[in-house]
This record gives sequence, C-alpha cells and structure tokens, in this order.
Amino acid sequence: DAGVTQSPTHLIKTRGQQVTLRCSPKSGHDTVSWYQQALGQGPQFIFQYYEEEERQRGNFPDRFSGHQFPNYSSELNVNALLLGDSALYLCASSSAPGQEFYEQYFGPGTRLTVT
Amino acid sequence: GESVGLHLPTLSVQEGDNSIINCAYSNSASDYFIWYKQESGKGPQFIIDIRSNMDKRQGQRVTVLLNKTVKHLSLQIAATQPGDSAVYFCAETYSGGYQKVTFGTGTKLQVIP
Repeated sequence: DAGVTQSPTHLIKTRGQQVTLRCSPKSGHDTVSWYQQALGQGPQFIFQYYEEEERQRGNFPDRFSGHQFPNYSSELNVNALLLGDSALYLCASSSAPGQEFYEQYFGPGTRLTVT
Repeated sequence: GESVGLHLPTLSVQEGDNSIINCAYSNSASDYFIWYKQESGKGPQFIIDIRSNMDKRQGQRVTVLLNKTVKHLSLQIAATQPGDSAVYFCAETYSGGYQKVTFGTGTKLQVIP
C-alpha cells in the first residue's frame, strides 16, 4: 500500500514564475492538506481540500491556490514566485474531517528553490 | 539529506536515558494534540496523540502529558535510542469540522551513543 506520494522531489524556479506541485494521498484517504516548511521551522498550514473544495485556509496570499481531483489527488499552485517561497512543501492526507480518529500521513515533500 | 533542524533548540541525551521534550501550545480551543517526528529529508511522522479530555497517554516507549491549565505538552521517550534522533514537533488542532493543524516550534533530539 503506497503512502502519500509527491512530485517532483526537487524544483528550481526563477522569481516571477509559476509552479505546480502534485500529491497523491494514501489509499483510502480523501482529504489532502498542504503545508510550507521553511528551513529550521515547523510546517505552516496552507490549505485543506475535501470533496474537491478548499475547506480551510491558513495565512497565505492568493498566489497560493490548489485543486483536488475526483481521485482525491491534489495540486498546489504558486504564482509570481518570490524568493521567500523557497521551502519544503509537504502534502498530508487523512480520512474525512470530523472522524473520531484523526491522523495525517505526510509525504516526503517537494523542495522548491526560487532564485 | 537536508537538515530540518537548523536554528531549533537542541536536546542531547545519552543512549539509554529518558528524553523529555516540551511544547507550549497557543489556542485554548484546541482539543486534539499530536506529536510528530521528522527525520532529515522526510516528512513528519505521527508518533502519538492525545485528546483534551485526557492528561496522559502512553504508547510504545513514548508518553504524552497534557496540562491544559498552562497549555503545555510534553513527550517522554523511554530508553532513548540512536534511531530516535530527529526533530520533534507538537501540533494542535480542533477535532470538529475541518481540521487546521498548527505546528509548534520543533526540538532537535540528538542521541549520544
């Protein structure tokens, strides 16, 4: 049973460009959350997708957007990249919100470097 | 692999000793707390969780203590092993509805063989 997978592993972009990161949730999970982790810091919640809709959002600008597909996989899009967007982007999957037991499984992340 | 432990507080313990990692959480409305372990180059891994109606929960070699009065969590690792070396994060959330998980500042655990 595959866990959470993310692609690509590493990515280098130039300021002003746009990037798309991809995530496939763990089998049986239907909720995907995205996090940004700067070096030496804890992950910061970006947003969560359930039933193909954004359900919760953290303190991130509209340059950060996402999508969830019918197969529960998800994409994170970042427009007009800034140097400060350089970070490890983590995807986490879980079962439907509101379940009695809540456990997120994290993928290995995508390391984005903006130059 | 890349380090996630730069600029984080570090706890160094001798192999075989017990480790205690502390965390302060911020939101009084949070009712569900999780400890994660993150090894270099990997995503966070679930260790143990606790709900706000509990003060203590034990797992295999790990114990989490919750003090709601002072909004404090601790993770105790018994008989610390070299494989326990990692960055540890506490996280808080509200279990109802759509969960937004807020991570605390991590602690880097270094186990001295």
